[in-house]
Amino acid sequence: GAVVSQHPSRVICKSGTSVKIECRSLDFQATTMFWYRQFPKQSLMLMATSNEGSKATYEQGVEKDKFLINHASLTLSTLTVTSAHPEDSSFYICSAQGSFNQPQHFGDGTRLSIL
Amino acid sequence: DQQVKQNSPSLSVQEGRISILNCDYTNSMFDYFLWYKKYPAEGPTFLISISSIKDKNEDGRFTVFLNKSAKHLSLHIVPSQPGDSAVYFCAASSAQGGSEKLVFGKGTKLTVNP
Repeated sequence: GAVVSQHPSRVICKSGTSVKIECRSLDFQATTMFWYRQFPKQSLMLMATSNEGSKATYEQGVEKDKFLINHASLTLSTLTVTSAHPEDSSFYICSAQGSFNQPQHFGDGTRLSIL
Repeated sequence: DQQVKQNSPSLSVQEGRISILNCDYTNSMFDYFLWYKKYPAEGPTFLISISSIKDKNEDGRFTVFLNKSAKHLSLHIVPSQPGDSAVYFCAASSAQGGSEKLVFGKGTKLTVNP
């Protein structure tokens, strides 16, 4: 149980393109979803927290107009990197939480490469 | 400022022996701690957790110990198996203020040799 699916796993695109990443909880309802970013040899850094039907809460230093998060249902959240540039190249990973005080379950991540 | 620290980037042990992975934290508000295991090209998989009201939690071969006074936790794997070879992340959160965001360490790569 507790499967989280994230798509796509890999994206390579030109600078200026907007990229959408989907995160789905397949066998449970996720009241909260989290989006992380990881640079090489660094820890996972939380970008934003989203609850179904409400606006995402962004961490300090994360541009909300750059990283659009939509959490339209209890099983789906999307992250859109708008007008991506090479510095946005990174590993993005989502997690989903069924209820408070339950572990977060992670997707397999998306490797984003902007040329 | 790294609030969760895993000071050993790697650890190598022999199959059948004990693996001990360590984690230190600086934020005294953390009250929930988790260990995740990550294989290459996959997302982290939840392994075991511990609440700050406990000092030990055991699940099969995996035991997590929490020393609040030292702000230190450790994950013991015994006996270690080659399939345990992965990167292990320590994470911490604070339920205070209603936020459950996790703060991760940088991970320790465990290699279990046959």
